[in-house]
Amino acid sequence: KAGVTQTPRYLIKTRGQQVTLSCSPISGHRSVSWYQQTPGQGLQFLFEYFSETQRNKGNFPGRFSGRQFSNSRSEMNVSTLELGDSALYLCASRKGQHSTDTQYFGPGTRLTVL
Amino acid sequence: QQQVKQSPQSLIVQKGGISIINCAYENTAFDYFPWYQQFPGKGPALLIAIRPDVSEKKEGRFTISFNKSAKQFSLHIMDSQPGDSATYFCAATRGGFQKLVFGTGTRLLVSP
Repeated sequence: KAGVTQTPRYLIKTRGQQVTLSCSPISGHRSVSWYQQTPGQGLQFLFEYFSETQRNKGNFPGRFSGRQFSNSRSEMNVSTLELGDSALYLCASRKGQHSTDTQYFGPGTRLTVL
Repeated sequence: QQQVKQSPQSLIVQKGGISIINCAYENTAFDYFPWYQQFPGKGPALLIAIRPDVSEKKEGRFTISFNKSAKQFSLHIMDSQPGDSATYFCAATRGGFQKLVFGTGTRLLVSP
């Protein structure tokens, strides 16, 4: 069974630009979550989508947005990039909403903002 | 109340030794406590997890001990191997599309 895939793996952008990251969940998984990982803040939750609807949102500014498609693939967008947005962005998928539904993480997209 | 506190920040253990990482939480609504292992350049991978109605869970060399009254749980790695060198995150969550709340991570180095 293929794991969670994320594209691109690496991205370099400049301040003020916008970026779109893509995530393909494990087949059969309907939930996709996004997390930001930085050395200073650790792993921070961005949002979770299930059946194309945002079910939960973390404490990030409105510049961070996402969506999910009917095939469960998800994208997240960051507009007006800031230096502090440099991070590893992780996507995780799971079958459903139960706490015991294991979240499987992808390898992440490393975003560098110059 | 949503925080999970993890210690130590880093740990060096000799090959064959026992690695112990501790976590504490405040929110008694959490009902699932997974541990994730992350290698450089990779995403976190589920290692082992426990529910609060169980005091201990063992899978191979990895054991979670859970103390519900103290709101603490810990990961024990027996017979630690150099291949266990990674960053370990404890986490907590509850049902209904609730996020994983992660600890700050422990960087484990197992010396040969």
